Amino acid sequence: DVKVTQSSRYLVKRTGEKVFLECVQDMDHENMFWYRQDPGLGLRLIYFSYDVKMKEKGDIPEGYSVSREKKERFSLILESASTNQTSMYLCASSLFWGVNTEAFFGQGTRLTVV
Amino acid sequence: AQTVTQSQPEMSVQEAETVTLSCTYDTSESDYYLFWYKQPPSRQMILVIRQEAYKQQNATENRFSVNFQKAAKSFSLKISDSQLGDAAMYFCAYNTNTGNQFYFGTGTSLTVIP
Repeated sequence: DVKVTQSSRYLVKRTGEKVFLECVQDMDHENMFWYRQDPGLGLRLIYFSYDVKMKEKGDIPEGYSVSREKKERFSLILESASTNQTSMYLCASSLFWGVNTEAFFGQGTRLTVV
Repeated sequence: AQTVTQSQPEMSVQEAETVTLSCTYDTSESDYYLFWYKQPPSRQMILVIRQEAYKQQNATENRFSVNFQKAAKSFSLKISDSQLGDAAMYFCAYNTNTGNQFYFGTGTSLTVIP
């Protein structure tokens, strides 16, 4: 089974802290994604990566950065956490595009910024 | 721009009955893929069913089937013989073979009434 593992299920951080959300996949997928999930807004793409050290902005990249130093690991970084970044964060991975493939998701991280 | 619309924020169904969740999408592509994902309260998002746009035959997976109307850009999910375990948030999603991300709808929360 494909596994996408996020390092934490729940996090509470203070405003202004630097926050790292880690995601690891074990199926050698090229693509990795970070989504933010808010009620009524669905899933919104923050960043994605199609290869090591490669990254592309999604729809809502402001206030976030990412790092992909190894193929299996994709980190989301909140440089200075703010209360409006309180949300559910979902990591996903998929095989390369051009193929009818699916996105595999982690269990999600519920981040609360106080 | 690709968009995915789910017009039903909430739906309910009696156990053992049938329910249909609606999804429409907007695209100028001719070749693409459509997905329904399920997110139970435990939050792990899993794939329910997928459809290739070039296939006229509607996809079926056990109690789950789709009604794919390409000209109308409609992709509804039918759940037959609903079970308590079907209670979840359902997301419709779209991807192209030239694209680099999955586009998600805002989700439909399904309640199954015993």
